[in-house]
Amino acid sequence: GAVVSQHPSWVICKSGTSVKIECRSLDFQATTMFWYRQFPKQSLMLMATSNEGSKATYEQGVEKDKFLINHASLTLSTLTVTSAHPEDSSFYICSARDQGTNQQETQYFGPGTRLLVL
Amino acid sequence: GEDVEQSLFLSVREGDSSVINCTYTDSSSTYLYWYKQEPGAGLQLLTYIFSNMDMKQDQRLTVLLNKKDKHLSLCIADTQTGDSAIYFCAETPGGSGNTGKLIFGQGTTLQVKP
Repeated sequence: GAVVSQHPSWVICKSGTSVKIECRSLDFQATTMFWYRQFPKQSLMLMATSNEGSKATYEQGVEKDKFLINHASLTLSTLTVTSAHPEDSSFYICSARDQGTNQQETQYFGPGTRLLVL
Repeated sequence: GEDVEQSLFLSVREGDSSVINCTYTDSSSTYLYWYKQEPGAGLQLLTYIFSNMDMKQDQRLTVLLNKKDKHLSLCIADTQTGDSAIYFCAETPGGSGNTGKLIFGQGTTLQVKP
C-alpha cells in the first residue's frame, strides 16, 4: 500500500522552543492530510485538517496559533508546535488521503512522532 | 454529537476467536473502519465496511454491522500472538461530506496468551 512518513520519529526539546514535524506522502499525492494527537492509552484526537494550498481547518479547542500547519505541496504537510510546554508532550500522528481512486478507503497513516517537552 | 465507544481490554488464548465491539452514535455514518496499532507505531487499516452492508469477510477478519443498534464488531478467527495490539474503531461522520474526517473510539487492547 501507499506509504506516509513522518520526521522526526521522536524529539525531545526544552520548554519554550518550537518543534516542526513533517508528514510526507511518498508515492501518491495528498490534497488532504490530517493531524492527530494521541495521549498514552487513549484514542486519536483529530487536531486539524490540512488542505494543500489553503488554510488548515482546526477542530474545536485546538489553538491554531499554537499548532501551525502548512501544506505547501501535494506531498508535504508540516505541524509546528510553537513555544512548546510539557503539556504538549504527546504522540502526533498524521494521515494522508489519496484521492486517486476510492476516496473512502485510501487514507494512510504515518508512523507517528513522539514529542517530549522538558 | 459524534461519539464512538469501545471496550478497553480483551484477553484471549492463541487459537481462539476474538470479538471486539464498538458502538457509535451518528446514524448517518457512511463508512466504518477497523485500525490496528502496534506499540509505538502508527495505524494500519485492517478493514472497512460501508454502512449499507451488514457483514464483510476478509480472510481471518469478519466485520459485523448492526445499523439499527449502531453496533460494529470485529471478529478475528484463530487469533495469533501477532494479533496482540490496540484495535481502533472509527467512523466517517455523515455530515463531514467527503472531507475524510475520522472519529475514533478509545481503542481495545487485545492480549493474546500463548
